[in-house]
Amino acid sequence: GEEVAQTPKHLVRGEGQKAKLYCAPIKGHSYVFWYQQVLKNEFKFLISFQNENVFDETGMPKERFSAKCLPNSPCSLEIQATKLEDSAVYFCASSQSVGELFFGEGSRLTVL
Amino acid sequence: KNQVEQSPQSLIILEGKNCTLQCNYTVSPFSNLRWYKQDTGRGPVSLTIMTFSENTKSNGRYTATLDADTKQSSLHITASQLSDSASYICVVSPSYNNNDMRFGAGTRLTVKP
Repeated sequence: GEEVAQTPKHLVRGEGQKAKLYCAPIKGHSYVFWYQQVLKNEFKFLISFQNENVFDETGMPKERFSAKCLPNSPCSLEIQATKLEDSAVYFCASSQSVGELFFGEGSRLTVL
Repeated sequence: KNQVEQSPQSLIILEGKNCTLQCNYTVSPFSNLRWYKQDTGRGPVSLTIMTFSENTKSNGRYTATLDADTKQSSLHITASQLSDSASYICVVSPSYNNNDMRFGAGTRLTVKP
């Protein structure tokens, strides 16, 4: 597609439940990035992929968070056993190796 | 401490007026600096990208400047419109690719009629 597509737009989970977010990058883009945006516009890098391979996962919490980018499937970000502090907007972005980074509209996760 | 500091945190101006947003960074090495516009409830959209050798870049009514010596950038908005109301985020990258980008906390601009 011509834009980064993220689903769902909103997701509400009870504390301890699982949350799974999806991202379809722009066709032809080989890099996918996940960011977490909490209050005050602070963007926190989580993980990046080069095609289906993890490129950089230094921002990923060691526990509970996992992500995949499989061929012919949307990329996914999964949070096991959600906590209140996981409430945030999760943005996916894609790009070619260099140049402009295109963001999706985000998925707002609310943990109650 | 954040390596990208933006000021002011928020700004209110009247429609038609100009404004300037500031970004100071300590990221080193430096590869490029970007300004993004983020409307409420939307994803960031790129306004400008500047590399080390560029000191000004325009995109319509938006003009970004870069002083790599003092590690400062500014975003000037001319003849503001109501649709300019948004958060403006400065992002600095130490590498040539899009990995390892450092985000500022943004300036929240409100343009009033």
